[in-house]
Amino acid sequence: EIVLTQSPGTLSLSPGERATLSCRASQSVSSSYLAWYQQKPGQAPRLLIYGATSRATGIPDRFSGSGSGTDFTLTISRLEPEDFAVYYCQQYGSSPYSFGQGTKLEIK
Amino acid sequence: QVQLVESGGGVVQPGGSLRLSCAASGFTFSSYGMHWVRQAPGKGLEWVAFIQYDGNKKYYADSLKGRFTISRDNSRNTLYLQMNSLRAEDTAVYYCAKVNIVAAPDYWGQGTLVTVSS
Repeated sequence: EIVLTQSPGTLSLSPGERATLSCRASQSVSSSYLAWYQQKPGQAPRLLIYGATSRATGIPDRFSGSGSGTDFTLTISRLEPEDFAVYYCQQYGSSPYSFGQGTKLEIK
Repeated sequence: QVQLVESGGGVVQPGGSLRLSCAASGFTFSSYGMHWVRQAPGKGLEWVAFIQYDGNKKYYADSLKGRFTISRDNSRNTLYLQMNSLRAEDTAVYYCAKVNIVAAPDYWGQGTLVTVSS
């Protein structure tokens, strides 16, 4: 089973700043089958990035993903007020298709 | 547009059973794999199960094997999750999600709440 560890647990930043979120896997994620989601209170998760680097439909280009193997990063280049939420990574390359524990991005 | 609508949640006693449904529309349901994912109150996302587009392959979280069964009816555009021997720790919002052509879960329903309590 692949265990995903996200860091930091909470990130406090101001609008306009750059956010860097990390997701580390306990073993290599096959074919970079790594996704990032955004979730706001009371809402379903929204797919942001898949295949480690590809933006999902309708996702602004301030969101970008990078990495391969065991180390992955979600970067938000310039934070907008609506970006403050919880972010999860998920590997969907091999069952069980595990999630990270989440990073809460809060307004400083 | 893609729509996924979960139903079947509610309050059930420990040891009881429940069947969740996910009605799909706006895409060719029979062409895509589907996931169930759950989220306990105030907690993170937990993957539950996956079923291939034709129902021939199914995968489960290790902790749930033997109690939960995923299935689909492509003629009804509906995904199911049969949950047996329910425990308090199964209390969660249950989401269904479809995958895209490269297997990433791209669209999610709004979820249905299951509460296991006496």
